[in-house]
Amino acid sequence: SQWGEENLQALSIQEGEDVTMNCSYKTYTTVVHWYRQDSGRGPALIILIRSNEREKRSGRLRATLDTSSQSSSLSITAAQCEDTAVYFCATDRNYAQGLTFGLGTRVSVFP
Amino acid sequence: AQTIHQWPVAEIKAVGSPLSLGCTIKGKSSPNLYWYWQATGGTLQQLFYSITVGQVESVVQLNLSASRPKDDQFILSTEKLLLSHSGFYLCAWRDRVHQAPLFGEGTRLSVL
Repeated sequence: SQWGEENLQALSIQEGEDVTMNCSYKTYTTVVHWYRQDSGRGPALIILIRSNEREKRSGRLRATLDTSSQSSSLSITAAQCEDTAVYFCATDRNYAQGLTFGLGTRVSVFP
Repeated sequence: AQTIHQWPVAEIKAVGSPLSLGCTIKGKSSPNLYWYWQATGGTLQQLFYSITVGQVESVVQLNLSASRPKDDQFILSTEKLLLSHSGFYLCAWRDRVHQAPLFGEGTRLSVL
């Protein structure tokens, strides 16, 4: 999982498999942002989940949030090669100050 | 539609030389603005944020400074580059409508 002192995690899967990545955060938050970053590009928001949602879906993406354990997960169903990217979770210190990012999970999907 | 533009796309600079990176947001007034730095293979580290013109707050001191001379412009600079400044610099903006920060395409900096 992301955060703390772990290195960026790397996962390799085949097309059609499912993958789940986890994120544990240290400070209280009511929103977890998930971004994906393609090589050489800026991060793009893919899903945002709030504390009153517990689970949110967007296409083949599914995010969960458990504020009691301060953790979130992102799952990709039936992964495709174009899902290859680095995925980051991020939380707000507060609205003005911006986001604190986790260490990231590099997902490589092979045909 | 709002657009965010960073310049330059890439820079190669010598240690000890000055640096100025820019970010412009079009189509949005009074956004919150952010600078992030990313080492190769690393996560995003927030450097500065600004909620209004002329006001910039530092999050991490990396011998860099930032300014917001106009509502739609955010500048990152230093008078003397270090090798450790190499990396990917990202600008982002948000407002109350777009709750999640939206990022530019970044500037790749190599300090030699």
